[in-house]
Amino acid sequence: QKEVEQNSGPLSVPEGAIASLNCTYSDRVSQSFFWYRQYSGKSPELIMSIYSNGDKEDGRFTAQLNKASQYVSLLIRDSQPSDSATYLCAVQRDDKIIFGKGTRLHILP
Amino acid sequence: SAVISQKPSRDICQRGTSLTIQCQVDSQVTMMFWYRQQPGQSLTLIATANQGSEATYESGFVIDKFPISRPNLTFSTLTVSNMSPEDSSIYLCSVEKGRTEAFFGQGTRLTVV
Repeated sequence: QKEVEQNSGPLSVPEGAIASLNCTYSDRVSQSFFWYRQYSGKSPELIMSIYSNGDKEDGRFTAQLNKASQYVSLLIRDSQPSDSATYLCAVQRDDKIIFGKGTRLHILP
Repeated sequence: SAVISQKPSRDICQRGTSLTIQCQVDSQVTMMFWYRQQPGQSLTLIATANQGSEATYESGFVIDKFPISRPNLTFSTLTVSNMSPEDSSIYLCSVEKGRTEAFFGQGTRLTVV
């Protein structure tokens, strides 16, 4: 089992709708979880971090963490064409951050 | 956050040669990380660069192929040695700030011909 798993997509969402991105992880002792956005040809950019169970909201983004289910998700409300990118889920393991393969999100104008 | 300058931004190299990538951070950081991102793939951690000690390599990566220097708390280099076309990739430097949040340099796009 991969340490961090994501559906590679592409996930197509109409503009203005909610995009839902999901991630599962295998290491139960992980305590820190991250979502990165990566535009084509660019380096990853941190958009959300979450450390405790529940929801964390920042503008149009909401991260959700369920440690019992080893599940992390990212919701993007009022999706915009500029949200089209690859979203990488990442999990801390010891002193390292392990990345999933990413989900390609395409917002349809 | 952190401002990370990485260079070169891209290079085309002949097989059998070596390339050294530099990473400069605008503040002191304890740990620096080097990742590889092959086309269409996610980031794979190559090694952790520790100041004052040898780098710690992940499974599948060895010091002879990817020697790393960390002379101080703001700078690190990664060398890709004896390159082959399979080494064509994007190489990324990363640092952690705050509660392990990682920030990335612009990346080095390497093509080996």
